[in-house]
Amino acid sequence: EAGVAQSPRYKIIEKRQSVAFWCNPISGHATLYWYQQILGQGPKLLIQFQNNGVVDDSQLPKDRFSAERLKGVDSTLKIQPAKLEDSAVYLCASSPLRSVYNEQFFGPGTRLTVL
Amino acid sequence: GESVGLHLPTLSVQEGDNSIINCAYSNSASDYFIWYKQESGKGPQFIIDIRSNMDKRQGQRVTVLLNKTVKHLSLQIAATQPGDSAVYFCAENRNSGYALNFGKGTSLLVTP
Repeated sequence: EAGVAQSPRYKIIEKRQSVAFWCNPISGHATLYWYQQILGQGPKLLIQFQNNGVVDDSQLPKDRFSAERLKGVDSTLKIQPAKLEDSAVYLCASSPLRSVYNEQFFGPGTRLTVL
Repeated sequence: GESVGLHLPTLSVQEGDNSIINCAYSNSASDYFIWYKQESGKGPQFIIDIRSNMDKRQGQRVTVLLNKTVKHLSLQIAATQPGDSAVYFCAENRNSGYALNFGKGTSLLVTP
């Protein structure tokens, strides 16, 4: 079974530039998550989708971050404009159902460096 | 606010020894806990989970213990191997939202 795919793996941009990350979840997984992992810390949820609808975006900095999952499969996370503190690894995860007892499968992440 | 934290940031063990990684949580409503392993350059990988109605669960070479009285869980790795070197996170998956709330992580280093 193919895992969660993310691209690009690495991205270096200057502050105030824009950047977009792409995620392809495991086939058939209805729930998709974007996490931000700052160096030395655990991942922090940014946004959660159930199919193509947003379930939780309470921790998403909406003035600069946006995400979509238009067809309920792939998802894109965008930052515009980027700040230095956005340097982090952006992880995408998916799970089959929206359940408390549901394992989440993580992709390899995109490492963003903002200069 | 609510948090999931780890007692020690780093742990060094000799190959073949048993490892114990501890985690404290503060939300008494938490009802599901997961341990993840994260190797350098990779996403977190599921190791083992436990529901709040259990106090112990065993997997292959790993055991998770949950003490709800003191809001503490631990991950025990038997006969630790060099391939076990990684950062280990405990996470809680609360009933609301279903996303994971991660602690900071413990770096496990296995020495020969």
